[in-house]
Amino acid sequence: DAGVIQSPRHEVTEMGQEVTLRCKPISGHNSLFWYRQTMMRGLELLIYFNNNVPIDDSGMPEDRFSAKMPNASFSTLKIQPSEPRDSAVYFCASSSRQTRSGANVLTFGAGSRLTVL
Amino acid sequence: AQTVTQSQPEMSVQEAETVTLSCTYDTSESDYYLFWYKQPPSRQMILVIRQEAYKQQNATENRFSVNFQKAAKSFSLKISDSQLGDAAMYFCAYRTNQGAQKLVFGQGTRLTINP
Repeated sequence: DAGVIQSPRHEVTEMGQEVTLRCKPISGHNSLFWYRQTMMRGLELLIYFNNNVPIDDSGMPEDRFSAKMPNASFSTLKIQPSEPRDSAVYFCASSSRQTRSGANVLTFGAGSRLTVL
Repeated sequence: AQTVTQSQPEMSVQEAETVTLSCTYDTSESDYYLFWYKQPPSRQMILVIRQEAYKQQNATENRFSVNFQKAAKSFSLKISDSQLGDAAMYFCAYRTNQGAQKLVFGQGTRLTINP
């Protein structure tokens, strides 16, 4: 398995521009999570999906952020318009609720480092 | 809401020695999971070890072991025979087994290995 695949690895953009981050979860995993990591706030959950349905988006900072999961193998996190304070590493992770012995492990992608100038 | 606290922002240890990283958490639940993740400079989040709250036996993975004290809500990570490749940020994390399956992370501990 190729693991959780995120793109782009690095993104540098100017304030006001639209940013789209992409994620392909591990095949067979039915939960997908978007986390943001900053020095000041650490790792924060932005939103997560179960079976492609958003379950909890209470961590989404504001209306400028939106996330979609049109199918089981793809998700996007969009920021429009972007601001310098959005600069962070954005992680996607997936998991599968299977038997007790193999359940509840989140596998993370390599992250997308976003810099907004 | 559950919270996870790592009280040691930084730790250092001599190569081949043993180091223990601390973690405490707050929850009213009885069924949950605890994890330690490692984040090296590559920034990849790597699972180190996992503990199910219903198991009394402490989890071990080669040189990594935990001391799980459920009543005290403590979950420390012991790294034996430290190696240079162990240098990283280490995050403690909590996950309920009821409803929301999200991970709640501590602030992290930066571990330095001195040669």
